[in-house]
This record gives sequence, structure tokens and C-alpha cells, in this order.
Amino acid sequence: NAGVTQTPKFQVLKTGQSMTLQCAQDMNHEYMSWYRQDPGMGLRLIHYSVGAGITDQGEVPNGYNVSRSTTEDFPLRLLSAAPSQTSVYFCASSYSTAGGYTFGSGTRLTVV
Amino acid sequence: SQQGEEDPQALSIQEGENATMNCSYKTSINNLQWYRQNSGRGLVHLILIRSNEREKHSGRLRVTLDTSKKSSSLLITASRAADTASYFCATDAGNTGNQFYFGTGTSLTVIP
Repeated sequence: NAGVTQTPKFQVLKTGQSMTLQCAQDMNHEYMSWYRQDPGMGLRLIHYSVGAGITDQGEVPNGYNVSRSTTEDFPLRLLSAAPSQTSVYFCASSYSTAGGYTFGSGTRLTVV
Repeated sequence: SQQGEEDPQALSIQEGENATMNCSYKTSINNLQWYRQNSGRGLVHLILIRSNEREKHSGRLRVTLDTSKKSSSLLITASRAADTASYFCATDAGNTGNQFYFGTGTSLTVIP
């Protein structure tokens, strides 16, 4: 099993550009989430999904969209990149609300 | 706002000593989890403790939970240099969805 796969690992964007961060898991997990990690801020929840076709907002959803058309994939789309979105982004999945998360290795995004 | 806060922010100990870090949270929970993050990597799930449990062990890890004080502690016994990492607690805020909120973490350095 590959676990949770995130692509790309690194990305530099110009302000105003859009892009999609990919996340795929092969563990048949229903629950998936996106977090961003900034120095001194810990991890903050952006969006999450409890199953295919179901998504909801977390703590810091503004400027991001998600979709969950399949159980395996949970892409995060930046609509119009801003320097404040410079961060490390982590995707995670879990089999249930009572289970631990499996994290991807992260995408380091810089917006200039 | 984040649900959990870890204390201390940073901890430096000698190899072989025990390391204790604490987590406080704000609202009622169903369960609390601890994660480890090595520098530049994704988070790794260590242990989950349910709200009706008071203590849980996993190898050299011991987690306690005091729901009356809304706090948890993680004890790592006989620390090793390989334990050097950041440690985060995550709580589910007592809701039914799989929204886990992370604290800002404790940075542990184990000196060989």
C-alpha cells in the first residue's frame, strides 16, 4: 500500500495563479482532511470530507475549494493564490472517527 | 481557534531521561490523539485515548487523560535520540464528524 500520496512535493506560484494540490489514498478510508502548517501555528484544518460526495469547511477554508468525487481522491484547489497561502499542506485520511489519521508527506507551497 | 495547546513549547533532555508534555483543550471530546512529526516529514499517529479512558500505554509511551481538567499528558520513558521530533495532540471537539484540531506542538530534543 502506498498510503496517502500528495503531489507535487514542492510548488512555487505567482500571486493570482490557481492550482490543484492532489491527494490520493489507497486504504479505502472514508474520512479525509486537508491541513496547512505554518511556523508557530500548528496544523489548521482547511476542509474535510466524511465520504465521497460530502465535504465541509474547517477552520481556515477561505481561498480554497475541495471536491470528493471518489473515495480515493481529495484534491485541494487554490482559486487565486496569495502570499498568505505560503505554507506546508498536508492531506490525511482515516477509516473512522475513532481512528488515527494517516498523513501524506506534504506539499511545500510558496506564493510570490 | 485551535482546540489543543501543548506545553512546553520546547523541551530538551538527555538520552535515557523521561519526557513529559502536556495538552490542554477547550471543549468536550470523544477522543484525543497524539502524533509525532520528524523534521520535514508528515505526522505519524502514536496513540489514541477515548474520553472514557484515563490512561493508555504503548511501548515506551504513556498517555493520561483528565476530562475534568480538559488536559492530557504524553510521557516518553527512557528517551532516545531518535525520539527527537515535534509532538502534537489532536482533539475532535466532541462532534460527530471527523474534524480533528491540532495544537501548536512541543518540540522535543533528546541529546545523546
